[in-house]
Amino acid sequence: SYELTQPPSVSVSPGQTARITCSGDALPKQYAYWYQQKPGQAPVMVIYKDTERPSGIPERFSGSSSGTTVTLTISGVQAEDEADYYCQSADTSATYRVFGGGTKLTVL
Amino acid sequence: EVRLVETGGDWIQPGGSLRLSCAASGFAVSSIYMSWVRQAPGKGLEWVSIFYTDGSTYYADSVKGRFTISRDDSKNTLHFQMNNLRAEDTAVYYCARDAVDSSGMDVWGQGTTVTVSS
Repeated sequence: SYELTQPPSVSVSPGQTARITCSGDALPKQYAYWYQQKPGQAPVMVIYKDTERPSGIPERFSGSSSGTTVTLTISGVQAEDEADYYCQSADTSATYRVFGGGTKLTVL
Repeated sequence: EVRLVETGGDWIQPGGSLRLSCAASGFAVSSIYMSWVRQAPGKGLEWVSIFYTDGSTYYADSVKGRFTISRDDSKNTLHFQMNNLRAEDTAVYYCARDAVDSSGMDVWGQGTTVTVSS
């Protein structure tokens, strides 16, 4: 079955830039999405279609894509950004959805 | 207001059945893709099923043959029939609006908890 690979954890100090990667063979053909999840809460989409930001999401969140890797970048990280982040995409047929294993962002 | 509310989660013994519901408001479930996503305790998100606007349905291998997704357009509600439940099905189950224009899972419910244990 198709898999997306994320680093388990990323740590940054406040004000620095955090980058979270997600790798998958179908990513050149399928859009990627990023979700933020805080403890006890439902996920919230922060990036869609690789690079688009939903309304209400701060400008410090951005997405990029290069080959089989997509990246979520959080510029000027704030304490409130500490959360789990998940990438999501689809298989090559665009039929099945898949999530990455998640990355825990720690703000030091 | 666009909103999803899941109900039906419960404690159930292995081998049992449960039916989850996801009531939508502010949009029509018939006009959009809808997914179920679950999260086991302390684990990541796992996509489990999708209902497409053409009526086609798909499942993750982990639930195929045991779970069935359906839609009641008259009640604007998505359902998830879960049979032959196993301990590994223990999770918070979320329904999510999975937009047809590739704009992602932009609306999520609050989740409903299913615990499978003897």
